[in-house]
Amino acid sequence: AQSVTQPDIHITVSEGASLELRCNYSYGATPYLFWYVQSPGQGLQLLLKYFSGDTLVQGIKGFEAEFKRSQSSFNLRKPSVHWSDAAEYFCAVGKKAAGNKLTFGGGTRVLVKP
Amino acid sequence: GAVVSQHPSRVICKSGTSVKIECRSLDFQATTMFWYRQFPKQSLMLMATSNEGSKATYEQGVEKDKFLINHASLTLSTLTVTSAHPEDSSFYICSAPRPGGSTDTQYFGPGTRLTVL
Repeated sequence: AQSVTQPDIHITVSEGASLELRCNYSYGATPYLFWYVQSPGQGLQLLLKYFSGDTLVQGIKGFEAEFKRSQSSFNLRKPSVHWSDAAEYFCAVGKKAAGNKLTFGGGTRVLVKP
Repeated sequence: GAVVSQHPSRVICKSGTSVKIECRSLDFQATTMFWYRQFPKQSLMLMATSNEGSKATYEQGVEKDKFLINHASLTLSTLTVTSAHPEDSSFYICSAPRPGGSTDTQYFGPGTRLTVL
């Protein structure tokens, strides 16, 4: 069965500092990997995705993620966070054959200090 | 861009009553929609897959008689929580993949917060 682990429940970062959110997955084949952000009162928004090809993927809002098969990881990074980046972030793995079902990690809540 | 809406955004009901939540794809047709449940400060857990014109597929441990799903049209899926109890209080989120797209083109609704007194 597929699973996703986000080891960090909370992360606090100062505005302007760099951010890295960890994601590890367990999957039997080539995974389809995603990062979503959830802000209060809003639906989940896709930040970026990995299907194949270049293992460093660029997303919206200045985020990027690197797929490392050897480590079963798909960590999310941003060089300089803004106060508006405070939100809940979810890593997810998809099974295309199963009709686009997603399995989510537990989420990481990011707090941004002024 | 594609949008998925949910109605209502919040609902409070008495224990024992039933509550219906609607999920609509606003500018595309969705033969499949997904229903997730999210407890406070926890992740999204897939409850079921709603299929237009056929029965929903429920994940293991989800009571199909408790959570009735009807995918009446290509733009509407409903989730009815029957005989709701306080433990059913949660945040319910639907999503819909855009047909013809790849796995990434899945759009999420803003969620419905259910509180059962």
